[in-house]
Amino acid sequence: AQKITQTQPGMFVQEKEAVTLDCTYDTSDQSYGLFWYKQPSSGEMIFLIYQGSYDEQNATEGRYSLNFQKARKSANLVISASQLGDSAMYFCAMRGKTSNTGKLIFGQGTTLQVKP
Amino acid sequence: DAGVIQSPRHEVTEMGQEVTLRCKPISGHNSLFWYRQTMMRGLELLIYFNNNVPIDDSGMPEDRFSAKMPNASFSTLKIQPSEPRDSAVYFCASSLTVQAFFGQGTRLTVV
Repeated sequence: AQKITQTQPGMFVQEKEAVTLDCTYDTSDQSYGLFWYKQPSSGEMIFLIYQGSYDEQNATEGRYSLNFQKARKSANLVISASQLGDSAMYFCAMRGKTSNTGKLIFGQGTTLQVKP
Repeated sequence: DAGVIQSPRHEVTEMGQEVTLRCKPISGHNSLFWYRQTMMRGLELLIYFNNNVPIDDSGMPEDRFSAKMPNASFSTLKIQPSEPRDSAVYFCASSLTVQAFFGQGTRLTVV
């Protein structure tokens, strides 16, 4: 069975510093994708970054990077130069790549607060 | 592109009433997901459709919940009868390849 674990319910970071949000996963699939979504207080779900299981390089999108360690089954999100607008809930998610395994499941989320 | 459209945005109903939530996925997308979000349980996948066929409904909490996707452009999630513990935000999301796009959600309150 697929499972996503986020062990940090809440995190604080000083503005302009970097922060790492942890995510570990479990799956028996060989081909899968890992995602991070941001949910601000307004409630919408915003896609941040994607990593495929066969991608050799870690994904980056602007200030977001995904530290993918396949052997450890971890997919941590790194936010560089934190901004006040980064304060939100962050979800790690996983999805298989076939029609039968393509359900998208989420971890419990990490609340990030950026301090000025 | 209008994105994933959910209706209604807010719904307040009395216990025992039937509630129907609606979702219009992004045109051309072949996967659709329904989620329920609560403080206690987080973001739970209720059901996953691929090409209008329910692939995994193991997250549907009980027989009071049912979901349909009669065509590629419309899906419903029905709760009958509704109970106060069903109060939550319900999200619909659609996907074509990798990334899933979410609707704005329906905030359901059962009193």
